[in-house]
Amino acid sequence: AQTVTQSQPEMSVQEAETVTLSCTYDTSESDYYLFWYKQPPSRQMILVIRQEAYKQQNATENRFSVNFQKAAKSFSLKISDSQLGDAAMYFCAYTVGGDKLTFGTGTRLAVRP
Amino acid sequence: DTEVTQTPKHLVMGMTNKKSLKCEQHMGHRAMYWYKQKAKKPPELMFVYSYEKLSINESVPSRFSPECPNSSLLNLHLHALQPEDSALYLCASSQASGNTEAFFGQGTRLTVV
Repeated sequence: AQTVTQSQPEMSVQEAETVTLSCTYDTSESDYYLFWYKQPPSRQMILVIRQEAYKQQNATENRFSVNFQKAAKSFSLKISDSQLGDAAMYFCAYTVGGDKLTFGTGTRLAVRP
Repeated sequence: DTEVTQTPKHLVMGMTNKKSLKCEQHMGHRAMYWYKQKAKKPPELMFVYSYEKLSINESVPSRFSPECPNSSLLNLHLHALQPEDSALYLCASSQASGNTEAFFGQGTRLTVV
C-alpha cells in the first residue's frame, strides 16, 4: 500500500524567510504524481504545486518549489520569501494515476510577522 | 469559473434526520469526488464518480448515499448518521480521474447530534 509521511507536525518561519516542509512516500510504482496542497482556515484545499514522477526537473511555481528525489522517495516543498498568507496546513499527496489521492498527515505552518 | 461550490457550509442534524449535501462545478470536469476530513486529520476518500458513474466506493457505510444527477452536480444523501460522522465533507472535481489537478470546494461542516 502506498503511504505518505510528513514528519513535521508543525513548522514556524519568519516573514520573508525561507522554509522547507518534508514529505516522504512509499510506492512500488514507477510512474505517479505528487502534489502539495494548502488548507488555510477557510478550509478549502488549494493546489500549490504538482510533480510528475517521470520528470527529472523539479517543479516551480513562483515562490514555491520542490526538491524531488525519486530514488529516495522524497518530495519536499520550499517556500521562499514567506508571507503571512502562507500560514496554513500543508498536505503532501500522491496518486498513481488512478482516482485516489493519498494524503500525508499534514504540517501546520505558522508565519511570524 | 474555477470554482467548486458546496452547500450548505454548515449543517447540524439529528441522528434520525435525512439531509443532503450538494456540490456543483461548471468547469466541464468529468470526475467528481467526496472526501471526509476529521479534525486535524487529512482528507479520506469516500466516493469517486467518473463520467457520472460511481467508480470507487471506499467501503463507506450505506447511511451515506452518493448521487450524480449530471456531470456538473454531485450530491451526498445522509440518513441515520452517528455522532462520529461529524466531520468536514469536501467535494472535489478534476478534468478526468487520476492525474490531473483536483479542485476542492470549501466543504460542509457537518455536526450530528
